[in-house]
Amino acid sequence: GQQLNQSPQSMFIQEGEDVSMNCTSSSIFNTWLWYKQEPGEGPVLLIALYKAGELTSNGRLTAQFGITRKDSFLNISASIPSDVGIYFCAGRSGSRLTFGEGTQLTVNP
Amino acid sequence: SAVISQKPSRDICQRGTSLTIQCQVDSQVTMMFWYRQQPGQSLTLIATANQGSEATYESGFVIDKFPISRPNLTFSTLTVSNMSPEDSSIYLCSVEKGTGGEGYTFGSGTRLTVV
Repeated sequence: GQQLNQSPQSMFIQEGEDVSMNCTSSSIFNTWLWYKQEPGEGPVLLIALYKAGELTSNGRLTAQFGITRKDSFLNISASIPSDVGIYFCAGRSGSRLTFGEGTQLTVNP
Repeated sequence: SAVISQKPSRDICQRGTSLTIQCQVDSQVTMMFWYRQQPGQSLTLIATANQGSEATYESGFVIDKFPISRPNLTFSTLTVSNMSPEDSSIYLCSVEKGTGGEGYTFGSGTRLTVV
C-alpha cells in the first residue's frame, strides 16, 4: 500500500524560530494536505495543494507540492506558543487519504 | 466545509464488550470515513461508508470487528466489537464535502480505553 514518510518526528524550538517539516511518498498523489491536531481534537486542515510545483501560503504557513508529486513540505515562520501540536501530511488519491506519521512540535516561550 | 458531531467523546470499557460511536453531520454527504489513531500514532483508515451500500473496509479491518451503519446521508455509526486493550485508540469520523481537499473535515474523535 501507499506509505508516507514524514520527518522530523518531533521538534523542540524557541518562540520566533522558523520550522520546516516534509513528507515523501513511494507513490504519486494528486493532492497534498497538511493538518494540525491538538490534544482532544480531530485534525484541522491548514493547507491544501493541488498541482505539482504549487506553493501556497496561509499566514505564517507555507507549503509546496513537489514537482515529482511524491513529496511536500510545510514551513512555519516566526513560531509562537500556540503552534504547538502534531502536524500531519496527507496524500489524497481518489477519495482516500494516506497520512504521514506526524511531527510533534513544541515551542518554548 | 461540514460540521461533524461525534459521540461519545471518550469512554472506558470492559474487555469483551462493544461500543457504538455515532457521527452526525450538519449537511448531506456522500462519503463518510472512519479512522483509527492508536496512541502516539498516525491516522489509519478503517473503512469508507456510503449510504445504501455496505461499507468498504481497508486491509486489516473486518466487518465482524468494526460493523458500520450508514442509514442516511447525514449519519453513521461505527461499532467496536468484543473489545480488547489493543482496541484502545482514538476513533475519528471524517467526511468529504465537495471535490477539493478543503472538503475533508474530521470530527473531534472518540477516545476509547479498554480495561
